[in-house]
Amino acid sequence: ELKVEQNPLFLSMQEGKNYTIYCNYSTTSDRLYWYRQDPGKSLESLFVLLSNGAVKQEGRLMASLDTKARLSTLHITAAVHDLSATYFCAVDGGATNKLIFGTGTLLAVQP
Amino acid sequence: DTEVTQTPKHLVMGMTNKKSLKCEQHMGHRAMYWYKQKAKKPPELMFVYSYEKLSINESVPSRFSPECPNSSLLNLHLHALQPEDSALYLCASSRLATGTQYFGPGTRLLVL
Repeated sequence: ELKVEQNPLFLSMQEGKNYTIYCNYSTTSDRLYWYRQDPGKSLESLFVLLSNGAVKQEGRLMASLDTKARLSTLHITAAVHDLSATYFCAVDGGATNKLIFGTGTLLAVQP
Repeated sequence: DTEVTQTPKHLVMGMTNKKSLKCEQHMGHRAMYWYKQKAKKPPELMFVYSYEKLSINESVPSRFSPECPNSSLLNLHLHALQPEDSALYLCASSRLATGTQYFGPGTRLLVL
């Protein structure tokens, strides 16, 4: 059974600082996704990572994938308050496109 | 149009009521999904439709009944729900049975 773990569960950071969220998964997968969810809102797609060594960047967020280590990271550079949200990684469980979500990381950026 | 829409936004129902949630997309996506999300938890998959056929049912109780009338619409019929079914119900779609899933805004359901 595919399991997806994220850490930390909660992250409080100051504006301007850098930090990384980690996503580990238990079995081989072809695709890994990162989503953002604001309080009371739906999920917004951030990145899809399709191959070993894939790196994608959008603004202050950069995601990478190491399929051999079954690890993805979401790096935040020079955080700003607008990045405060819950971030989920999700792994494709196979041909059925069944997404297994990580536990989520609640990011709070303090001024 | 890159949007998934859901109605209603909020729903309060009693345990004896019958109600339906509606989801619509006009992106030409052929896979559609229902998820349930409890507060401070990740979404949990309930159902997957691929080419209007049910392909995954994650052992969801029969008081939840999905329906896919056409390639753009997905319904979730609710009957005799329990208070623990209160949650945010999210619909999503993707181009095929693989690929990025795009989520709707959700229906926040409260069962009294």
